[in-house]
Parts: sequence; C-alpha cells; structure tokens
Amino acid sequence: DTGVSQNPRHKITKRGQNVTFRCDPISEHNRLYWYRQTLGQGPEFLTYFQNEAQLEKSRLLSDRFSAERPKGSFSTLEIQRTEQGDSAMYLCASSALGQGGYGYTFGSGTRLTVV
Amino acid sequence: QQQVKQSPQSLIVQKGGISIINCAYENTAFDYFPWYQQFPGKGPALLIAIRPDVSEKKEGRFTISFNKSAKQFSLHIMDSQPGDSATYFCAATQRGATNKLIFGTGTLLAVQP
Repeated sequence: DTGVSQNPRHKITKRGQNVTFRCDPISEHNRLYWYRQTLGQGPEFLTYFQNEAQLEKSRLLSDRFSAERPKGSFSTLEIQRTEQGDSAMYLCASSALGQGGYGYTFGSGTRLTVV
Repeated sequence: QQQVKQSPQSLIVQKGGISIINCAYENTAFDYFPWYQQFPGKGPALLIAIRPDVSEKKEGRFTISFNKSAKQFSLHIMDSQPGDSATYFCAATQRGATNKLIFGTGTLLAVQP
C-alpha cells in the first residue's frame, strides 16, 4: 500500500489522558500536514512540516498539542491532558514539494473520542 | 478572510440527474481551488481542481465552473450515480510556502436509485 497510513484508526481515551497518533506519509513526499475534522465540518489545518522542519502551526494547535517529524519520515501528533473538545477525526496528508494543493493525499484518519 | 462558504449543506438527487454544489471565497490571494470527495470512514480524496485563469474544467462527469469576478465556483456532477453518494468539500489554497487548504463545510450528497 503506497498511500498515507495512520494509526490507530480509532482511539477512545478518558479526559486528562495523553494520546499519540502516528502518520506514515507516502515515502517520496517531503511535505506533511495534520488536519482536524469535527462532525459535519470540513478539515481544519493544524500544522505543516517540510521534511523534518515544522514550518507552520495553526492557532488551533494549543500548548497541549505537539507534533514531530523526526528525520523527515513518519510524524506523530501528541495531545496532552485531553479534553472532550478534542474529540474529532485527525487527518494526515502528504504531498511532494511543488505539487501544491493538487498533490495532497490524505490518510483515513484517526478518530479520537474523549470520554 | 480565510473562509470558504459552501452550499447546500445536503442534496438529494435522482439517479441520472445533475448535482450542483456551490462555493464562495473572499481571499483574492487564493489561486487554486480543488474539490474533495469523502466517504464515511475515509479521508478526503481529490476529485478535480481549477486555477482562476480558467473558467471551466471538465473531467468525465465532473465539471468545475469558476467565476473570478464573483469569487464563486461550483461543482457539477452530470448523470449522478448512487456511487457518487458521499460528502463533497470545496477548498482553496494560496500556493506558496505552505499550501495549506481552507475547506468549506461540506455537502452531503445522496443519489437515489
């Protein structure tokens, strides 16, 4: 499978716990994005990596959120002290430099439920 | 403004009919307008896209019409099929350092057999 892979697919956690999601982009893609999608809404941009450098973060990404992309390969998104408002689908996407919005490939997402 | 406004919220079309979804934007710096299709439990998948120097783009049964002066664009699905039933999102981006996408709120399309 050469698509964008996200794990886990589903995560249920208790309020206050920490969670970590993983994204494996398409291997030749050097751009990686995280988006959040709540029910009935379009995806909202969270953060962007070019190779291992995190170049942009949305105001949606509070201090409880941290994302990494060590060595420019896979990426992780960690949410500390989860709140019920964090319940959403977290989508990862990748593209190659120069392809712009056209080259986006999204993963199937990680659905987080905070109880 | 970063918003992209999309309508209608939901749409029911008979098989073989034409589905039309509309979007409007404010930021004149946007220079790329893709449409995404999303099935339940899946991530969005690129359907078709247009740049503002073109007024129409057609790929198979899918057509984007673009009105730069009105800052509006629309998706037309001809000969709609039950397999087209999904949520459709318009989006916009300003190609540059980030190429982040600004999405509309989505349209849930149901094509009845």
